[in-house]
Amino acid sequence: ETGVTQTPRHLVMGMTNKKSLKCEQHLGHNAMYWYKQSAKKPLELMFVYNFKEQTENNSVPSRFSPECPNSSHLFLHLHTLQPEDSALYLCASSQGQGNTEAFFGQGTRLTVV
Amino acid sequence: GENVEQHPSTLSVQEGDSAVIKCTYSDSASNYFPWYKQELGKRPQLIIDIRSNVGEKKDQRIAVTLNKTAKHFSLHITETQPEDSAVYFCAASSLGYQKVTFGTGTKLQVIP
Repeated sequence: ETGVTQTPRHLVMGMTNKKSLKCEQHLGHNAMYWYKQSAKKPLELMFVYNFKEQTENNSVPSRFSPECPNSSHLFLHLHTLQPEDSALYLCASSQGQGNTEAFFGQGTRLTVV
Repeated sequence: GENVEQHPSTLSVQEGDSAVIKCTYSDSASNYFPWYKQELGKRPQLIIDIRSNVGEKKDQRIAVTLNKTAKHFSLHITETQPEDSAVYFCAASSLGYQKVTFGTGTKLQVIP
């Protein structure tokens, strides 16, 4: 295990539902990230948090709302999603935002129906 | 912003042969170039990275070369093995993972 854990592993939700994805890292890293992986854009950076502060929002629609209560936990709150939001959502962490390795979680496979 | 192009999108090689994956980038300020391997159903994992102050880096059967003038970098895998079969992603960044841009991936199949 790389020390980055995501739950749930699979999620099916309707377009009117509200759900949250959770990510937890036990590596002592201070930067955490959300990525979206789909057939159209294999690895697309969504949000970056450094020391609990959001430092990057890569033009993500407001129906995706991140939350980082501390350096070890990261959430992605979902509401009124569209079918095209179906994808694999990957969390990652790294020691700082510099040129160091990012460790990925296993991902949450999201299906919006 | 940065644009990273990766070729080929699929690659099949015989076991024991070499495989080469090429990427180009657009932002001359990019100075960090990691490569990730993602096996089917698994998470991406870093296999090698290179910084702009070197032109080549090698780790056993894997090597990466960087040409800053031409803005391209390549992954070389020698003596390929079936366990090398996966999707490989290149990436470029000037500010670490805050501004990383990934390529579209190369699906490598090593035929026994």
